[in-house]
Amino acid sequence: DAGITQSPRHKVTETGTPVTLRCHQTENHRYMYWYRQDPGHGLRLIHYSYGVKDTDKGEVSDGYSVSRSKTEDFLLTLESATSSQTSVYFCAISEGTGEYGYTFGSGTRLTVV
Amino acid sequence: GENVEQHPSTLSVQEGDSAVIKCTYSDSASNYFPWYKQELGKRPQLIIDIRSNVGEKKDQRIAVTLNKTAKHFSLHITETQPEDSAVYFCAADLGGFKTIFGAGTRLFVKA
Repeated sequence: DAGITQSPRHKVTETGTPVTLRCHQTENHRYMYWYRQDPGHGLRLIHYSYGVKDTDKGEVSDGYSVSRSKTEDFLLTLESATSSQTSVYFCAISEGTGEYGYTFGSGTRLTVV
Repeated sequence: GENVEQHPSTLSVQEGDSAVIKCTYSDSASNYFPWYKQELGKRPQLIIDIRSNVGEKKDQRIAVTLNKTAKHFSLHITETQPEDSAVYFCAADLGGFKTIFGAGTRLFVKA
């Protein structure tokens, strides 16, 4: 309904394993973002993309990588999951670089045990 | 560094009363200020926004005010209803893919 879907919705993984979260949009927006949400911190930007194969780091990018091979898909990879990466991850899309607001996906709740 | 402070962290009001949430930002380059509402277990959704060349904006029962000199902006909800219960986030866009979010305000509207 919002033109943006995330998968999986929930995941439990073990420390040290790689994890990939997927974001898919049908709005053909150029800009896509990955945020994490933690109590007391609001939303913090992990990585963003301004086009196919064009990505850059956000505020909390350590331990994360991203890829965007198609306009509609933006993947977030935790290279070796740690307990500090237990969080709710939101993908977002926008028509601009942030000054038009975001449409968020439904989120992925990731637990690293 | 850039920062957005949001107060209060929790707000409880009686149905029909007004609710006010306040945010202060540090970077004078900020020029776009959105507000998001997040219901329990759901995604944040943009409910209203304001740009730096505007002092106030209204949309039915919600309004946002901006004081650029003081670097603060506020969300006002009038005639609150139980469905207004949610977490509200303010944000300040600094340009260049940099949007800073406040920590959120949990609003409870008691019927």
